[in-house]
Amino acid sequence: KQEVTQIPAALSVPEGENLVLNCSFTDSAIYNLQWFRQDPGKGLTSLLLIQSSQREQTSGRLNASLDKSSGRSTLYIAASQPGDSATYLCAGPNDYKLSFGAGTTVTVRA
Amino acid sequence: NAGVMQNPRHLVRRRGQEARLRCSPMKGHSHVYWYRQLPEEGLKFMVYLQKENIIDESGMPKERFSAEFPKEGPSILRIQQVVRGDSAAYFCASSSQQGEGTEAFFGQGTRLTVV
Repeated sequence: KQEVTQIPAALSVPEGENLVLNCSFTDSAIYNLQWFRQDPGKGLTSLLLIQSSQREQTSGRLNASLDKSSGRSTLYIAASQPGDSATYLCAGPNDYKLSFGAGTTVTVRA
Repeated sequence: NAGVMQNPRHLVRRRGQEARLRCSPMKGHSHVYWYRQLPEEGLKFMVYLQKENIIDESGMPKERFSAEFPKEGPSILRIQQVVRGDSAAYFCASSSQQGEGTEAFFGQGTRLTVV
């Protein structure tokens, strides 16, 4: 059974600083890992899906890495902006369903 | 190609009433998943359905909750005799196939408030 953990639960940084969000998973035979963004009271926005055959996936200022051997994924957000303030969730497949981490709530101070 | 559509977006029910949440999957998707997000908690799997079949309901409370995905029409998550503890965001996701690692696409969720 896949279990996903995200630490820290919350993070506050000044605008312009790079963000590093961590995600740990227990089953190293992971097919892929997905990062989502959730704004307060809103739905889930898929940010990046990184396959097990990939080590990195990039979209604009976002970069996600996946290290199966250590059971870790990292989401980097370069040059953070106040608009990046949100909760970031990672999720890994557990059979056909997803196991979610509890999320990291990010606040970018102007 | 419209994404996963959920309605209503917000639903208020009094204790003891019934709540019906609807989910229309993406076009061409025949696999639907429901997740629940309780306040200050992560998303938890509830149920997985294919057309006319419940495949896995291991995350569903045993009483008052039911789900269906008929041959025609949206998937329905039904909560009977709602209680305050049912207040949560309910998310639906769909995929085109089954299998570990298949990408699922999420709707915007239905926020249920029980008063």
